[in-house]
Parts: sequence; structure tokens; C-alpha cells
Amino acid sequence: AQKVTQAQTEISVVEKEDVTLDCVYETRDTTYYLFWYKQPPSGELVFLIRRNSFDEQNEISGRYSWNFQKSTSSFNFTITASQVVDSAVYFCALSGTTGANSKLTFGKGITLSVRP
Amino acid sequence: DAGVTQSPTHLIKTRGQQVTLRCSPKSGHDTVSWYQQALGQGPQFIFQYYEEEERQRGNFPDRFSGHQFPNYSSELNVNALLLGDSALYLCASSLVGRGDEQYFGPGTRLTVT
Repeated sequence: AQKVTQAQTEISVVEKEDVTLDCVYETRDTTYYLFWYKQPPSGELVFLIRRNSFDEQNEISGRYSWNFQKSTSSFNFTITASQVVDSAVYFCALSGTTGANSKLTFGKGITLSVRP
Repeated sequence: DAGVTQSPTHLIKTRGQQVTLRCSPKSGHDTVSWYQQALGQGPQFIFQYYEEEERQRGNFPDRFSGHQFPNYSSELNVNALLLGDSALYLCASSLVGRGDEQYFGPGTRLTVT
């Protein structure tokens, strides 16, 4: 069975601060995908980043960066120089890589509040 | 290029009633998945449809059923509504075999009174 744990429930920062969102996952699959989604108050899930399990290279995309460590089953997400518009609920998710196992398993989410 | 659309946006039903939610996938997509998101929780997978058949199912009772039409659009039906069915219902579409690219619709907010 797959499981995603987001131990942080709420984070509050002041604008321009960097913030890291933690994610720990469990899976028996040897290959899998990891995701981060953002959910603003409107409710729609917005895709942010995706990582394949066989590629542990960490990357930066604009203000977003992620740290994928297979050894600790962690997939942490960092927002640099946070902005008020970053305020939302952030979900970490996990899926298999085959068509028959493509369902997404989500964590409970982290509510991020960025104060001006 | 139209994204994933869902209807209705909001819905209020009474316990015991039945409800049908609708989803149109992103243009070119052939697979539709449904998720239930209770307040303060992450989305939970209900089921997935491909080629008009249910391909995967999560841990939801038989009261939850679905259908996919030849044009790839999909319906989610919930019978004998319970108060606990109140949630945001999200639809996601993808291409078969490309579960790494699932696009979500805006959701339908169902309130059961």
C-alpha cells in the first residue's frame, strides 16, 4: 500500500522568507512518481512539480526547488522568497508508473500562509 | 485547448437522495479518475475509467458508481447519500499510460443536509 505523510499541518511566514514543506512517503513499488500540488481557496488542484523515482537529481524551477532523497523516502519542496500569492494548501502525492497503478495517493496537506 | 470541466459547481442534497456529477476530460485525454476531498483532508481516490470500464477502484462502497461515455466524458453517481459524503469531488484526466500527467478540474462541492 502507498502512503504519504505530511507532518506539518500549518506554516506561517513573512513575505520574502524561504519555506520548506516536508513529505515522507511509503511504497512497495520499485518505480514511482512523486508530485507536489497547490490548492488555492478556489479549490482547483494546480500541478507544481513531478519527479521520477529513478532520478534523484534535485532541481530548481524559478522560486521552486525540491530535495528528493530515496534513502530517507523524502520529497521536500522549497519556495524561495515567498509571496502572498503562495498562500494555499500544498499536497504531496505519489503514484505508480503503470497505467493500472496510476492513482494518486495524497498526503493531508500543509496550509501555508504568507503574511505581507 | 479546453481543460477539464466539471458540473455542477455546487450542489445541495438531502440524506438518502442520489446525485450525479459530470466531468469532461481535457481534449485528447481518454482516462478519467475521480477523487473525494473531505474538508481539511487530502483527495482520496474513488475510481478510474478507461475505455468505458472501471480500471481501478479505491476503498469506497458500492454506493459510489461511475460511467464513461464514448466521448471519454464521465459521470460519478452516489446513491443513498450520507452526511459524510459532503465533500469536494475532483475529476482528473490523463492519457492512458501517462498517469504522471493528470490534470484536475475545478471540482464539484457537494453538501448533504
